[in-house]
Amino acid sequence: QAHLEESGGGVVQPGRSLRLSCAASGFTFSSYSMHWVRQAPGKGLEWLAVISYDGSNKYYTDSVKGRFTISRDNSKNTLYLQMKSLRTEDTAVFYCAGDPSRLLAPGGYLVYWGQGTPVTVSS
Amino acid sequence: DIQMTQSPSSLSASVGDRVTITCQASQDISNYLNWYQQKPGRAPKLLIYDASHLQTGVPSRFTGSGSGTDFTFTISSLQPEDIATYYCQQYDSLPPRFGQGTKLEIK
Repeated sequence: QAHLEESGGGVVQPGRSLRLSCAASGFTFSSYSMHWVRQAPGKGLEWLAVISYDGSNKYYTDSVKGRFTISRDNSKNTLYLQMKSLRTEDTAVFYCAGDPSRLLAPGGYLVYWGQGTPVTVSS
Repeated sequence: DIQMTQSPSSLSASVGDRVTITCQASQDISNYLNWYQQKPGRAPKLLIYDASHLQTGVPSRFTGSGSGTDFTFTISSLQPEDIATYYCQQYDSLPPRFGQGTKLEIK
């Protein structure tokens, strides 16, 4: 069955960088758009970024545009999120999620989710 | 950007009750509306996509309806295992924002 496993989270100082990875198995990774979603402690879900199945299209929410970069390596079935200039408000659990739609919009849904990796930004 | 307004923010109900959550979009999103369930400490789970399509394996007591700007999510007979926070998500245009969530508790 489909499985997503995030890694790379941890404690980092403000202004530093961190790269998250999401390893996929059990489904055709190269046919799925992939998303990053985060959840700050005690808060709701915040959608962050999406990358198309072939990596040719990417889109970010305004709060991370210019600081976060989504990428993928279909040969390794792995999704990445490079985060720089981290802020205390970036503290959250970060989830990767798979979406079977080929188009970035309209019409998609996050059918596969990882268990999340926590990121704490603190001095 | 399309804004999603979900209500109520919290809800207390008894086992066997019918539970309804609403989600309103700031503009017409056709039927591009998904519903997710998140249990404490767990990842979200897709329950309904495209407003009314039940995801494979999800119990039939969960239903969704609506189109345009107004959507409804219903649990026909609340079960103890349904305790969770529920989120709507629009996917008509980017960014595919989530509603603020509805925390469902057992009375």
